[in-house]
Amino acid sequence: DIVMTQSPESLAVSLGERATINCKSSQSLLHSSNNKKFLGWYQQKPGQPPKLLIYWASTRESGVPDRFSGSGSGTDFTLTISRLRAEDVAVYYCHQYYNAPFTFGPGTRVDI
Amino acid sequence: QVQLVQSGAEVKKPGSSVTVSCKASGGTLKMYAIIWVRQAPGQGLEWMGGIIPIFSTSHYAQKFQGRVTITADESTSTAYMELNSLISADTAIYYCARGTLNWLPDYWGQGTLVTVSS
Repeated sequence: DIVMTQSPESLAVSLGERATINCKSSQSLLHSSNNKKFLGWYQQKPGQPPKLLIYWASTRESGVPDRFSGSGSGTDFTLTISRLRAEDVAVYYCHQYYNAPFTFGPGTRVDI
Repeated sequence: QVQLVQSGAEVKKPGSSVTVSCKASGGTLKMYAIIWVRQAPGQGLEWMGGIIPIFSTSHYAQKFQGRVTITADESTSTAYMELNSLISADTAIYYCARGTLNWLPDYWGQGTLVTVSS
């Protein structure tokens, strides 16, 4: 199984500042057939289901503010919130959909 | 826009089974993956398994192999997840999600709390 790790476990960022979350996979998520990285990012607020933010490692889902961006190579990925707003307080999960069983990272809690 | 509406909370005894349903409204489950993810209290997301009915494809996490069955009724746009031989550690919120044919979950249900207690 592909193991996903995230760092840090939690971080506190001032309003308007940048938050950076890292995610690492135990094997490459880059598929040679289409040159795409099978990595997604989800935001989960208390009492709510997860919400898809980013897929293919760097493509923003429709309606997601452009302060959210994703980047990364085959095994190392980053989610950046460029100017943190109060409504961004949540837990963020990376998720690999490259190989079954598809797995999530342990989550990173973002607070103000 | 599709909405996934799950069945209500359940309380079950250890050793019993639970079935959670997930109905799509405003859209269809055809041509999509149906994925189940659970979240124990205060914990992270755990991928359980999924199916792509149109391809007759299924994947299950090793941890749940033989204990979970995921099915879909395309005529009613409803998916089901049955989990057997329940133990207290199965107490969790169970989410269904519609996924792309690449298995990326994009739309999620509201979650169903299953409590296993004697």
